[in-house]
Amino acid sequence: QVQLRESGPGLVKPSETLSLTCTVSGDSIIDYYFDWIRQSPGKGLEWIGYLYYTGRTYYNPSLKSRVTLSMDTSKNHFSLNLSSVTAADTAIYYCARRRRGAFTDWGQGTLVSVSS
Amino acid sequence: DIQMTQSASSLSVSLGDRVTITCRASQNIRNYLNWYQQKPGKAPKLLVYDESSLQDGAPARFSGGGSGTDFNLTIDSLQPEDFATYFCQQSYSAPYTFGQGTKLEI
Repeated sequence: QVQLRESGPGLVKPSETLSLTCTVSGDSIIDYYFDWIRQSPGKGLEWIGYLYYTGRTYYNPSLKSRVTLSMDTSKNHFSLNLSSVTAADTAIYYCARRRRGAFTDWGQGTLVSVSS
Repeated sequence: DIQMTQSASSLSVSLGDRVTITCRASQNIRNYLNWYQQKPGKAPKLLVYDESSLQDGAPARFSGGGSGTDFNLTIDSLQPEDFATYFCQQSYSAPYTFGQGTKLEI
């Protein structure tokens, strides 16, 4: 059974870059779409973007100028970088595997706070 | 972006009730509609995909329906473990979007 786990700093300073990694175990990351989603009290669930093992990516236009997604198939993990963060980026960040458009498998989520 | 609206932010329900949660899309999304259950401190869990297909492991008391712009999730005979927040999500086109959630309360 596939498992996903997010890792990274829980606190990021304003204007800096938020960096998270999602490690996938129990299955290969090849042939699947993987997404990042965040959840905050103010904005609810917000889809950030997806990537595919070929390198194909798609970002939410609302975040596109600040987001970069990348994948390391040799380590079976993928990463999120979100630059120039503000307090509005404080949220629980989830990585998820997607099939047929639905998010079938999720990480446990990691809370990232933006504060000086 | 396609806006997803769950008109009820919360519903007051009782054990054994038949509960229907509704979701409306701002445009026709055919049957590209998914439902998730989320409990406090946990990630959302997929219940229904493509409007009416039950995800492996989801109890048979959950069912999805609707099409186009109006959708519903029905829970037959509410169980104690069903008290949670439910979200709809459209997978018709990116950016994928979610409803604001409906919380089932006693």
